[in-house]
Amino acid sequence: DIQMTQSPSSLSASVGDRVTITCQASQDISNYLNWYQQKPGQAPKLLLYDASNLETGVPSRFTGSGSGTDFTFTISSLQPEDIATYYCQQYDNLPYSFGQGTKLEIK
Amino acid sequence: EVQLVESGGGLVQPGGSLRLSCAASGFTFSSYEMNWVRQAPGKGLEWVSYISSSGSIIYYADSVKGRFTISRDDAKKSLYLEMNSLSAEDTAIYYCVRGGRAAMVPLDFWGQGTLVSVSS
Repeated sequence: DIQMTQSPSSLSASVGDRVTITCQASQDISNYLNWYQQKPGQAPKLLLYDASNLETGVPSRFTGSGSGTDFTFTISSLQPEDIATYYCQQYDNLPYSFGQGTKLEIK
Repeated sequence: EVQLVESGGGLVQPGGSLRLSCAASGFTFSSYEMNWVRQAPGKGLEWVSYISSSGSIIYYADSVKGRFTISRDDAKKSLYLEMNSLSAEDTAIYYCVRGGRAAMVPLDFWGQGTLVSVSS
């Protein structure tokens, strides 16, 4: 099974800051990676698929990069509405697996 | 508009059973792989089970293998999860999730979830 290691587990940043989250797979997953945003009391929302493709309707300040085992998720300029928990997920192989999540807070 | 509506959650005693349903609309259900993903209170996301569009390929997380059964009824545009031998560790919100690796946009749409509480 593929293990996904996401870091940091929590992050505090100011409005306007550039924020970066990393996700590492335990084996090569090519670009079969999703990034999700989850706000309290809501279902996860897909932001990026295939590691770097922006889902329809998602603001362009969210970007993703990487392939193989190392991936990066970036918010170019943090907005108050971006406060949430973010998860990476691999879908290269079943069982699909998620990172542990990164809780993003405003400083 | 794509909709996934889960139902069937509730309070059940340890060792008990429950059947979750997910009603799909707004897309061609029979063409999509489907999944169940759960989230324990205050915890992260855990993938639970997968079923192919044909229903011929099924996978389970080790934590539920032998106790949970996923199925689908394309005529009713519905996904199901039969859960047996439930324990406190199964307490979670259960989400129905559309798509798999074969989809244009994998695992793109989630229902709002149904809460399963296992307690005596």
